[in-house]
Amino acid sequence: DAGVIQSPRHEVTEMGQEVTLRCKPISGHNSLFWYRQTMMRGLELLIYFNNNVPIDDSGMPEDRFSAKMPNASFSTLKIQPSEPRDSAVYFCASSFATGNYGYTFGSGTRLTVV
Amino acid sequence: AQSVTQLDSQVPVFEEAPVELRCNYSSSVSVYLFWYVQYPNQGLQLLLKYLSGSTLVKGINGFEAEFNKSQTSFHLRKPSVHISDTAEYFCAVKMSNQGGKLIFGQGTELSVKP
Repeated sequence: DAGVIQSPRHEVTEMGQEVTLRCKPISGHNSLFWYRQTMMRGLELLIYFNNNVPIDDSGMPEDRFSAKMPNASFSTLKIQPSEPRDSAVYFCASSFATGNYGYTFGSGTRLTVV
Repeated sequence: AQSVTQLDSQVPVFEEAPVELRCNYSSSVSVYLFWYVQYPNQGLQLLLKYLSGSTLVKGINGFEAEFNKSQTSFHLRKPSVHISDTAEYFCAVKMSNQGGKLIFGQGTELSVKP
């Protein structure tokens, strides 16, 4: 398995533009998580899905952020409009919903909003 | 509220010296505990986990951790570190009543010097 695949690896965009981050989880994993990592706030859970259904989106900072999981092999995190304070590394992770196997993380998308 | 505290933000150590990275948690329910490592510009990798049973767990790269329920701690140790262990280490907790959600500490930057 190629692991959790995120794209793009790097994204530089201008303030006000729409940004879409993509994630392909490990085949067979039925939980998917989006995290944001910054120096100031560390790792923050934004949202997670079980069996493609959003379970907890309490970490989504505001309405500018939205996430979807249309099927078991794909998820997107969208920011519209983007702001400089959204600059961070965004990680996607997947796992089995039951049991305690820990997560498998992707390599992240480094977002810079100028 | 549940939380995870990593007591040291930075730990400098010389090569071949022992190291301990400290982690404490607070929870009113039983927990599962994890340590992850993040190398520069990469995602997080699972080092080890405690689910139940023996309180001393061994992980990859010679690391081990001990679960101490009375002290609500899960400190990570290695008897002799290598330059290649330089990375950021994250302690994480999963509450038994919160599905798959992992709560991460702020991270400890381990810097191994020759």
